[in-house]
Amino acid sequence: EIVLTQSPGTLSLSPGERATLSCRASQSFGSTYLAWYQQKPGQAPRLLISGASSRATGIPDRFSGSGSGTDFTLTISRLEPEDFAVYYCQQFGNSLYTFGQGTKLEIK
Amino acid sequence: EVRLVESGGGLIQPGESLRLSCAASGFTVSSNYMSWVRQAPGKGPEWVSVIDRGGSTYYADSVKGRFTISRDNSKNTLYLQMNNLRAEDTAVYYCALGVNEFDYWGQGTLVTVSS
Repeated sequence: EIVLTQSPGTLSLSPGERATLSCRASQSFGSTYLAWYQQKPGQAPRLLISGASSRATGIPDRFSGSGSGTDFTLTISRLEPEDFAVYYCQQFGNSLYTFGQGTKLEIK
Repeated sequence: EVRLVESGGGLIQPGESLRLSCAASGFTVSSNYMSWVRQAPGKGPEWVSVIDRGGSTYYADSVKGRFTISRDNSKNTLYLQMNNLRAEDTAVYYCALGVNEFDYWGQGTLVTVSS
């Protein structure tokens, strides 16, 4: 089973700033199988990025994903107030899915 | 429009059983990969089980042998039969649609296992 480790655990930034979130895997896998989600309190996770870098339908272009192998990054270029939430990475392989433990993006 | 509506959650004692349902609309359950994902209070999501287009099923080790995923094509509904429930199964249970990732999620149903 691939373990995903996200960092930092909490990121404190101000609106307008750039956010960089990391997701590191315990072993390499194809970038096709890496996704990112945003979750706000009381809501289900929402898919942001699939295939490591493809934005889901309706996701603003300030969200971008990159990476390959074991290191993946979610970047929010210019934070809007509605972007403060918890972000999870997730991978799929061998008919199993795993999630990272999450990064909480909070207002500074 | 894709819509997923879970039901069947509640308060249940350890060792008992519960069946969750996920009514789908806007697409055909049997033509897609459908999963159950749970989230314990204050924790991140944890994938539980998936049923693929061919009907093959897969489970997380934490629920293998206790939970069973199934679908009713005539009702376009996904199910999760949960037996021998434990306190650590307490979570919001979501059904989710997608192959490599989860494109659509339901609103979730809360399962609380406590005596």
